[in-house]
Amino acid sequence: DAGITQSPRHKVTETGTPVTLRCHQTENHRYMYWYRQDPGHGLRLIHYSYGVKDTDKGEVSDGYSVSRSKTEDFLLTLESATSSQTSVYFCAISDQGATEAFFGQGTRLTVV
Amino acid sequence: AQTVTQSQPEMSVQEAETVTLSCTYDTSESDYYLFWYKQPPSRQMILVIRQEAYKQQNATENRFSVNFQKAAKSFSLKISDSQLGDAAMYFCAYRWGSNYKLTFGKGTLLTVNP
Repeated sequence: DAGITQSPRHKVTETGTPVTLRCHQTENHRYMYWYRQDPGHGLRLIHYSYGVKDTDKGEVSDGYSVSRSKTEDFLLTLESATSSQTSVYFCAISDQGATEAFFGQGTRLTVV
Repeated sequence: AQTVTQSQPEMSVQEAETVTLSCTYDTSESDYYLFWYKQPPSRQMILVIRQEAYKQQNATENRFSVNFQKAAKSFSLKISDSQLGDAAMYFCAYRWGSNYKLTFGKGTLLTVNP
């Protein structure tokens, strides 16, 4: 299995609080992604990174920010969590020339 | 914009029978990848099969095969000899762009009846 770890695996937080999810990889892959999964929507891309300090928005980026200061870590931050951000969040990695992406185990975030 | 459509929210199959899950996509690209991912209740995303658009031959992985129709932009998954462990949510995905982003369909929940 690809070395990709998400933390925390579960989190409950209150509306208006900041939340940071961490994705850590040991594969030295160039590309890292954050997706959210919601019933009836499949997985949707929030943000992605194509190198250290190189990030870009996905289709559902409003309310989220990311940072990648090291190859192995990709952080997703909800500056002020809202109930609409209750979801399962997946990190994924891929590499130049790779034919597939590898996914973390997911983080279930509940905003109450 | 790239879109992926799975028209079957739910499907069921009897154990040992064959089932086909449908997927269509929209793209203006000529070179791309298509994938089927399986998500069991554990939530893990498991790659089932991949297809490179420039290859005309349909991909096969053991009991899983695809019917790739490039002109029709169709990419269906056939599961033969269905097993109880095949029960899961299945996602069709399209990989696009130089940064290997994935666009997913909404998923098909497959139930396998004993």
